[in-house]
Amino acid sequence: AQSVTQLDSQVPVFEEAPVELRCNYSSSVSVYLFWYVQYPNQGLQLLLKYLSGSTLVKGINGFEAEFNKSQTSFHLRKPSVHISDTAEYFCAVSDYNQGGKLIFGQGTELSVKP
Amino acid sequence: EADIYQTPRYLVIGTGKKITLECSQTMGHDKMYWYQQDPGMELHLIHYSYGVNSTEKGDLSSESTVSRIRTEHFPLTLESARPSHTSQYLCASSEFEGFQPQHFGDGTRLSIL
Repeated sequence: AQSVTQLDSQVPVFEEAPVELRCNYSSSVSVYLFWYVQYPNQGLQLLLKYLSGSTLVKGINGFEAEFNKSQTSFHLRKPSVHISDTAEYFCAVSDYNQGGKLIFGQGTELSVKP
Repeated sequence: EADIYQTPRYLVIGTGKKITLECSQTMGHDKMYWYQQDPGMELHLIHYSYGVNSTEKGDLSSESTVSRIRTEHFPLTLESARPSHTSQYLCASSEFEGFQPQHFGDGTRLSIL
């Protein structure tokens, strides 16, 4: 069965510093990958997605992620974070066996400090 | 911007009550989902639907039930609420074709006393 591991439960970082949130998934022939952000007391908002094509995916709010098939990873990056980026970030994966259903990672709490 | 609405946003209610959590979307999506999320934890799929009159149980066992009589409406019902049902419930929808991203509502935070 498909599974997703977010390697860091909490990532504290100072404002304007770069950040990387790590995500690994179990191997599959074809996967579809997503990053979502959840602000307090809200639902999930899509940051970016990888369905096919270029392995470097750009999303909203200056975030990007790189799909690495050999390492089964889909790490999220931002070169310079803002206080407003403080939130919970979820990596999710789907494949043909899931029929469009998403498997979510445990989440990474990004805390940006001034 | 996603047009998916959940009501109520917050609900505090006593044990044994019947509860219905509402979820509606205006995007015409065929697929709809219910997730359960405890504070600071991952999302667990409890129900999903691929269209009218189609409902399936998700990966996490739940005592709740769902119905899909109209495309835009996917309510979740608890016949007799218990403290163990205290959680946040998130509704989502997506297009039927391909592996399109899911759009989420803002959730219902349910607290059973």
